[in-house]
Amino acid sequence: AQSVSQHNHHVILSEAASLELGCNYSYGGTVNLFWYVQYPGQHLQLLLKYFSGDPLVKGIKGFEAEFIKSKFSFNLRKPSVQWSDTAEYFCAVNYGGSQGNLIFGKGTKLSVKP
Amino acid sequence: SAVISQKPSRDICQRGTSLTIQCQVDSQVTMMFWYRQQPGQSLTLIATANQGSEATYESGFVIDKFPISRPNLTFSTLTVSNMSPEDSSIYLCSVRWGQAYEQYFGPGTRLTVT
Repeated sequence: AQSVSQHNHHVILSEAASLELGCNYSYGGTVNLFWYVQYPGQHLQLLLKYFSGDPLVKGIKGFEAEFIKSKFSFNLRKPSVQWSDTAEYFCAVNYGGSQGNLIFGKGTKLSVKP
Repeated sequence: SAVISQKPSRDICQRGTSLTIQCQVDSQVTMMFWYRQQPGQSLTLIATANQGSEATYESGFVIDKFPISRPNLTFSTLTVSNMSPEDSSIYLCSVRWGQAYEQYFGPGTRLTVT
């Protein structure tokens, strides 16, 4: 079955620390990959997306993610986190293109200490 | 991206009753989705609702429990029928938009069943 794995349940960092959140997906052919963010009390927002081209994609608020096809991974990174990055982060994968649905990972809660 | 609104934003309901959640989009979209996010959990797809056709339900979800309407390209409703405390959750409406098949989410409806 198609699945998405996020390895970290809860990550705690101090401000200015670097961030990397892992995301792996099961094989399923062509995929489109996404990271979503849910700030406290707010709705789910699209952070960045990959569907073709340069495997290093840049999103909003200084986030980036790298698609490594051989590792079935799409890790999220940020060089220097801020307190305002405290949120829950979800990796999601579309396996079927126009006919596919998003499958979400379990999410990683990020807490940034000021 | 599309702007999505949901009503109600939250509700507290008694066991055995039903609640209808409305989802309004500011643009015409073909595919709309309904998700459930249980406390501390990731998002689970309930069903896909395309205008002009019956909703397609995921495994574990049935039409009698979660009837869906999709009368036009900007609106959909999800009804949670014969509610039990296990239905307490956040229900999210989502639309597909863009060449990467990315999805955008409404603010959610927080349902508590007592």
